[in-house]
Amino acid sequence: GESVGLHLPTLSVQEGDNSIINCAYSNSASDYFIWYKQESGKGPQFIIDIRSNMDKRQGQRVTVLLNKTVKHLSLQIAATQPGDSAVYFCAENSGGSNYKLTFGKGTLLTVNP
Amino acid sequence: KAGVTQTPRYLIKTRGQQVTLSCSPISGHRSVSWYQQTPGQGLQFLFEYFSETQRNKGNFPGRFSGRQFSNSRSEMNVSTLELGDSALYLCASSLAGSRSYTFGSGTRLTVV
Repeated sequence: GESVGLHLPTLSVQEGDNSIINCAYSNSASDYFIWYKQESGKGPQFIIDIRSNMDKRQGQRVTVLLNKTVKHLSLQIAATQPGDSAVYFCAENSGGSNYKLTFGKGTLLTVNP
Repeated sequence: KAGVTQTPRYLIKTRGQQVTLSCSPISGHRSVSWYQQTPGQGLQFLFEYFSETQRNKGNFPGRFSGRQFSNSRSEMNVSTLELGDSALYLCASSLAGSRSYTFGSGTRLTVV
């Protein structure tokens, strides 16, 4: 069946460094991907999304890269700050009559001051 | 603009009881989805509603049900609660035609 998984369960970085969080997906029909950030006690918060007709999309301090050949996407956070500490999830959707998001298991990002 | 509102925030129930959780979507959002989040299984899709119709359902037993009202507010119900139903239940809403979902803060259900 379809699944979305993460390579690294935890990531620890120094404040000011760049962070890279990776995600692998297996459903070749997926054409829309989202990165969410979840802080303790809160629901997932939308960070950035990308459609399969794009390879890269940039937001404020974040960049998402999509490699459809190897079914891999990544989230890059520039100049990581303590406020970026959270669990990050990738999610995918295959469109059509599929209205659900399939989530990866999450990566815990810890930013050390 | 108010976000997705879920009530209650916390709930403790006894095995065998039933529970109803409520979700008010962002104004203008007509699609409402529910997810269960546990440490072991992560975020799993329960069901999605649009205009009072369930369009998708996840792989959960029939004890899990939901509905959506004409004002787009949604409720989910879990009957005959089991210990394994302890989880954070998240509601998300989106505009019609959008696949970008905004999540609420969730209802933390503990079954004892």
